[in-house]
Amino acid sequence: GAVVSQHPSRVICKSGTSVKIECRSLDFQATTMFWYRQFPKQSLMLMATSNEGSKATYEQGVEKDKFLINHASLTLSTLTVTSAHPEDSSFYICSARDRDTQYFGPGTRLTVL
Amino acid sequence: AQSVTQLGSHVSVSEGALVLLRCNYSSSVPPYLFWYVQYPNQGLQLLLKYTSAATLVKGINGFEAEFKKSETSFHLTKPSAHMSDAAEYFCAVGGGNKLTFGTGTQLKVEL
Repeated sequence: GAVVSQHPSRVICKSGTSVKIECRSLDFQATTMFWYRQFPKQSLMLMATSNEGSKATYEQGVEKDKFLINHASLTLSTLTVTSAHPEDSSFYICSARDRDTQYFGPGTRLTVL
Repeated sequence: AQSVTQLGSHVSVSEGALVLLRCNYSSSVPPYLFWYVQYPNQGLQLLLKYTSAATLVKGINGFEAEFKKSETSFHLTKPSAHMSDAAEYFCAVGGGNKLTFGTGTQLKVEL
């Protein structure tokens, strides 16, 4: 149980385009999901907390207009990186909360050319 | 505020040897503590968690951790390392709300 999927697993895009990443809880409902960013050889950095049916809460220093988060259902949250630039290239990981535990997706490798 | 310190960014053991990965936490409230494992280019997999029940917690793949309040520690152990245990390990404090991660420990298992 407690499986979280992400799609796509890998995406390459041109600078200036937008990219959408999906995060789904497959076997449980998650009112809260989280989006993280991980740089090479580093720990996870929380970007935002996504609550179903309400606006996401962004961490300090994270641009909400650049990283759009939508949590339209109890099993799906999306992260859209708008007008992507090479510095947005990173590994993005989502998690979904089931009671007191976060379960993580497999991650999405974004490369912006 | 909560924080986690993982001592040793890299740990190397021989196959069959004891694995010990250290984690110390700081929390103003009774903590929930977690160990996650990350294989290259993958997400995090939950190994085990402490949520104020038994202080010795058993997880998947033969790992266990002991919560020691007096030492503010939650070290991860495994009696006998296997090659497949080579990965990055993260200790985290928090829970359903925000998780605060340690900087991770890269475990290398040698023949």
